[in-house]
Amino acid sequence: EVQLVESGGGLVQPGGSLRLSCAASGFNMYNSWMHWVRQAPGKGLECVSTISGDGGSTIYGKSVKGRFTISRDNSKNTLYLQMDSLRLEDMAVYYCVLTDNGSFNFWGQGALVIVSS
Amino acid sequence: DIQMTQSPSSLSASVGDRVTITCRASQGIRNDLGWYQQKPGKAPKRLIYAASSLQSGVPSRFSGSGSGTEFTLTIGSLQPEDFATYYCLQHNIYPWTFGQGTKVEIK
Repeated sequence: EVQLVESGGGLVQPGGSLRLSCAASGFNMYNSWMHWVRQAPGKGLECVSTISGDGGSTIYGKSVKGRFTISRDNSKNTLYLQMDSLRLEDMAVYYCVLTDNGSFNFWGQGALVIVSS
Repeated sequence: DIQMTQSPSSLSASVGDRVTITCRASQGIRNDLGWYQQKPGKAPKRLIYAASSLQSGVPSRFSGSGSGTEFTLTIGSLQPEDFATYYCLQHNIYPWTFGQGTKVEIK
């Protein structure tokens, strides 16, 4: 059974940093592109970042490019999202997501990031 | 980035109604489209993949159609558990993009 468990969310001041982790199990992480998707309170879904199975390719949404860094440690079955220079508009629930049959299919429970002074 | 225009943004319907939601892509995306249902406080759940393939375990009252730039999600007979927000997702070109969402409410 595929399981994705996010951790690392919390309260941070504007301009601060936070690192999210996603512990993955139940599938071969080496072969899997993985993603972070976020949802601001009361808003829609936004693709934040994507990483290839070997970590060699990364993609970022325009709103986070240059501030967020996606990475992975396949030996630890863990996906990361380093978030720097956080802004009020980055406040959201962040989901770790795995693709299947071409699109997002497996989602974690989400990690809440609150950006507030 | 590819823009996904979803309509309507909300709708009110009764149990048993047939409901249709549309997504239009700003450029052709073949059939690289999924439909998702989200209930408050929960992660989204995929209903349809590859524009028209029903996700395992999803009731057959849900169906998808379309290709290129125009896509439709249909709920054949709305059930009480279907009141939720629905999103389309294009996965043809990175960054993948969602529609704005359609909230289906009880009339």
